[in-house]
Amino acid sequence: EAGVAQSPRYKIIEKRQSVAFWCNPISGHATLYWYQQILGQGPKLLIQFQNNGVVDDSQLPKDRFSAERLKGVDSTLKIQPAKLEDSAVYLCASSLVERGGLFFGPGTRLTVL
Amino acid sequence: KQEVTQIPAALSVPEGENLVLNCSFTDSAIYNLQWFRQDPGKGLTSLLLIQSSQREQTSGRLNASLDKSSGRSTLYIAASQPGDSATYLCAVHMGSYQKVTFGTGTKLQVIP
Repeated sequence: EAGVAQSPRYKIIEKRQSVAFWCNPISGHATLYWYQQILGQGPKLLIQFQNNGVVDDSQLPKDRFSAERLKGVDSTLKIQPAKLEDSAVYLCASSLVERGGLFFGPGTRLTVL
Repeated sequence: KQEVTQIPAALSVPEGENLVLNCSFTDSAIYNLQWFRQDPGKGLTSLLLIQSSQREQTSGRLNASLDKSSGRSTLYIAASQPGDSATYLCAVHMGSYQKVTFGTGTKLQVIP
C-alpha cells in the first residue's frame, strides 16, 4: 500500500513570494489534514478535509493561506504572500475514518528568506 | 478546547534502561489516542493507536496505556537502544470527524 505522498520536499523562497504544496493521500482515505510544524513545536492543524468538504479551518490564516481538495483525493496548500514566520515543515496526513489513526507524508520543509 | 501536554520535554537515558513518556489531555471524551515517533527532518511515524475502549496496546518493546478518566496516557519503552533516539509525540482524536490535537513532544536521547 503506497503511503502519503508530498511534493516538493524542500522549498526556499523570498518573503512576499507565493508557494504551493501538493499532497496525495493513501487511496481510499476520506480525511485529509494539513499541519504546520515549526521547529521545536508539535504539529498545528491548518485545515482538515472530509472528502472535498472542509471540516475545520479555524487556524488557517485565510488572508494568505488557501487549500483545496477538489475531487476528494489529492490536495494543494498555497501561501501567498509568504512571510518569514511561515518557515516550517508542512505535513500532510490522511486517515480512514472508520479505523482511525493518522498516516503522515514526509513533509515539505519551507524556508522563507 | 482540548489541550495536550507531554512531560518531560526532553529526556536523556543510558542504553538498556526502561523508560516512560507521559501524555496528559484535558477533555476525556476522546475517540482514540495515537503515539508517533519523529526523527530529525522527517515526517511522523505511527507507533501505536489506542481506541477509547482499550486500556493498552503493545508492539515489540513498546507498550502504551490509556486512562481516560484521569486524562493520561503513557508510552513505555523497554530496554532502550540508541536507535530509539527521536522525538515522541502523542495525538488525541476527538469525535467521529477525527479532530486531532498534538502534544509538544518529548525529545529522547539514548546514550550508548
